[in-house]
Amino acid sequence: AQSVTQLGSHVSVSEGALVLLRCNYSSSVPPYLFWYVQYPNQGLQLLLKYTSAATLVKGINGFEAEFKKSETSFHLTKPSAHMSDAAEYFCAVSDLPGNTPLVFGKGTRLSVIA
Amino acid sequence: DAEITQSPRHKITETGRQVTLACHQTWNHNNMFWYRQDLGHGLRLIHYSYGVQDTNKGEVSDGYSVSRSNTEDLPLTLESAASSQTSVYFCASSLGLAGAKVDNEQFFGPGTRLTVL
Repeated sequence: AQSVTQLGSHVSVSEGALVLLRCNYSSSVPPYLFWYVQYPNQGLQLLLKYTSAATLVKGINGFEAEFKKSETSFHLTKPSAHMSDAAEYFCAVSDLPGNTPLVFGKGTRLSVIA
Repeated sequence: DAEITQSPRHKITETGRQVTLACHQTWNHNNMFWYRQDLGHGLRLIHYSYGVQDTNKGEVSDGYSVSRSNTEDLPLTLESAASSQTSVYFCASSLGLAGAKVDNEQFFGPGTRLTVL
């Protein structure tokens, strides 16, 4: 069965500092991997996704993530944090294409300090 | 523009009442999902559907039911609301199509905040 582990339920960074949110997954087959962001009182929106093409994936708002098969990781990074990045971030995995639910991590709340 | 909507956005009800949360999508997606979000648990899958007349149980389906009579709608019913069902509920949809080269990206609605007193 697939699973997702997000290390750190809360991460705090200073404005302008590097953002690193960790995600490790387990899957018996090559996975599809996703990062979603949730701003307060809103639904989830897609930041980026890995679908077996390039291992370094670029998303919206300057975020990117690198798929590392040997480490079963898909960590999310952004070189310079902005106050508007404060939100909850969810990593998700699925394996089979088409009809299969996503399995979500428990989320990481990112705080950005001025 | 295509979208996914949920109603109501906020609901307060009493223990034991039946409650139905609506979800409507205009993406023409085959798949629809219901999640609940609780602090410390992330998103947990309640029920999902891969097409009209198809429904499946997720990891936290007890006390909930769904039915899919058309492509656009997947209402979630709480048969007899309990305080443990106080939560934020999200509906999502994805293109689907078993065996096809799709990546399972899901599109989410804005959520319904349900309080059971």
